[in-house]
Amino acid sequence: GQQLNQSPQSMFIQEGEDVSMNCTSSSIFNTWLWYKQDPGEGPVLLIALYKAGELTSNGRLTAQFGITRKDSFLNISASIPSDVGIYFCAGRPNAGNNRKLIWGLGTSLAVNP
Amino acid sequence: DTEVTQTPKHLVMGMTNKKSLKCEQHMGHRAMYWYKQKAKKPPELMFVYSYEKLSINESVPSRFSPECPNSSLLNLHLHALQPEDSALYLCASSQVGVKNGYTFGSGTRLTVV
Repeated sequence: GQQLNQSPQSMFIQEGEDVSMNCTSSSIFNTWLWYKQDPGEGPVLLIALYKAGELTSNGRLTAQFGITRKDSFLNISASIPSDVGIYFCAGRPNAGNNRKLIWGLGTSLAVNP
Repeated sequence: DTEVTQTPKHLVMGMTNKKSLKCEQHMGHRAMYWYKQKAKKPPELMFVYSYEKLSINESVPSRFSPECPNSSLLNLHLHALQPEDSALYLCASSQVGVKNGYTFGSGTRLTVV
């Protein structure tokens, strides 16, 4: 099925560094969601975006809904060891069955203390 | 209550067994979902219930049988599974409508032997 192009696939950074990841789509989306998943747990919603150009923060996390409605990014500032995990973007296309979320393949983040 | 509760957390079953996964939420969400997730992959949608009625079945084999007894409960009945069905099974819920993020449970880790 349709998937989002999420990059990078993995990152290994030093504690305190900033992180940026993004997702792109070939079609217009009306919703972008960013989730974090820890091993053995379900995904946890970090930030939800519903309007083109929207910029939303949640603590050290900031995400934006791209103005073209075909992309979104997530930034993490001043990373800490508990930021380790897999980050997924997910979105709803503007056309078709938009009850279904389309998922990126994830960005695996490792933080070196 | 802002949680989705899934039981059991772990399940090992033989290929001839019948078992059930359970999911419960008390957030007043009227959309509930079953997802299957393999290691290091995004969740894959299996079923969607909207107002306690099955609205999406992603061509899931009949050995998986969902049930939504009321607005707070979602079950997944398992019968004659295959080893390749081993995965993390996630339940999620949301408000009905496109502009809503999903709340996920912690999942059931299923192993079919």
